[in-house]
Amino acid sequence: KNQVEQSPQSLIILEGKNCTLQCNYTVSPFSNLRWYKQDTGRGPVSLTIMTFSENTKSNGRYTATLDADTKQSSLHITASQLSDSASYICVVNSGYSTLTFGKGTMLLVSP
Amino acid sequence: ETGVTQSPTHLIKTRGQQVTLRCSSQSGHNTVSWYQQALGQGPQFIFQYYREEENGRGNFPPRFSGLQFPNYSSELNVNALELDDSALYLCASSLVLAGEDEQYFGPGTRLTVT
Repeated sequence: KNQVEQSPQSLIILEGKNCTLQCNYTVSPFSNLRWYKQDTGRGPVSLTIMTFSENTKSNGRYTATLDADTKQSSLHITASQLSDSASYICVVNSGYSTLTFGKGTMLLVSP
Repeated sequence: ETGVTQSPTHLIKTRGQQVTLRCSSQSGHNTVSWYQQALGQGPQFIFQYYREEENGRGNFPPRFSGLQFPNYSSELNVNALELDDSALYLCASSLVLAGEDEQYFGPGTRLTVT
């Protein structure tokens, strides 16, 4: 069964600090891995997308890594801002829009 | 903004009723997927439509049905609503081509079943 596990489930950090979110997956076949940011009650918005051959991808203060051998990914957020408070969802695409979602990590950035 | 719109934004229904949710895809996209997201959970795949045909279905009963129209807009219909159907319903559109199938999500419809 295809699964995506994320940790931690929730996280509180101070504004300006860095944090790293983890994603482990057992999905086959593998086409790409994406990280989404989802504000409460809103649709997910794509942050990064990585294919099998990519190890790292950055989008501003967000940097995602992928280790396809160990089937692990991480999302690093630098110099956090209050607006970073959201759920961060790891999603693995098996191809042709077949997605497996993690449950998300709820991040709260406090002043 | 992704260009994907959904209506209504919020909806309250009674158990046993029927509901229709609507999604307007991003221009040029030929595929729409529907997801159910319970509070504190990741989205669960309901089904996908490609060029007006169902192209995959998740573990949802037949009372969840859908349509995709020639203009690639879509509907999700749920019959005989149950309390557990209360969730955020997301649609996502994509242009499925070889090597390109990123999904763009709408803002969702919050359904509450009482």
